[in-house]
Amino acid sequence: EVQLVQSGAEVKKPGESLKISCKGSGYSFTSYWIGWVRQMPGKGLEWMGIIYPGDSDTRYSPSFQGQVTISADKSISTAYLQWSSLKASDTAMYYCVRKGIAVAELLIDYWGQGTLVTVSS
Amino acid sequence: QLVLTQSPSASASLGASVKLTCTLSSGHSSYAIAWHQQQPEKGPRYLMKLNSDGSHSKGDGIPDRFSGSSSGAERYLTISSLQSEDEADYYCQTWGTGTHVVFGGGTKLTVL
Repeated sequence: EVQLVQSGAEVKKPGESLKISCKGSGYSFTSYWIGWVRQMPGKGLEWMGIIYPGDSDTRYSPSFQGQVTISADKSISTAYLQWSSLKASDTAMYYCVRKGIAVAELLIDYWGQGTLVTVSS
Repeated sequence: QLVLTQSPSASASLGASVKLTCTLSSGHSSYAIAWHQQQPEKGPRYLMKLNSDGSHSKGDGIPDRFSGSSSGAERYLTISSLQSEDEADYYCQTWGTGTHVVFGGGTKLTVL
């Protein structure tokens, strides 16, 4: 069974750093791209970026380029999303997702359960 | 510009059927999409991939009550025999060149 299991909720202050994780299991972690999606309170879904754990090829949505860092450690089948200096506007639920196997398609076929990040002074 | 448009809300009665619509922007009517369901206070779940010819492939464990169809730039999700647990937000999703991903704004389905 394919699973993406994310780290727990975080409460941080503005300016602090944070790294959240997403562990994949039930499939070949290095063969599928892993992406991140933001959902701000009461809002829709926003695409942040994606990484290929096999070679760490990473692509960012222009809206998030320079704002976050996506990485992966294939030895432990885990992808990460990190911030160096959080802002209150980073308060949101963050989902990791798996891209399906078809090369030319960025179809999301599995979702993690989400990590709630709250940034407040 | 690749855009997906969804109605903000829809409603239907328990046991009835409902058809949700996702419209692709001009010039993109051949694109495939995916449908995702987000039940209250839960993470989204992949429902199906829907091609421009109406063929679709569902995710693991998705009931037969969920089906998809297409007409021109419109992509539809039909849910038959509505159950209370179908009350959720439904998002369509597609992709452009490279790793450009687009989501629709979502439709909130209320089961009466």
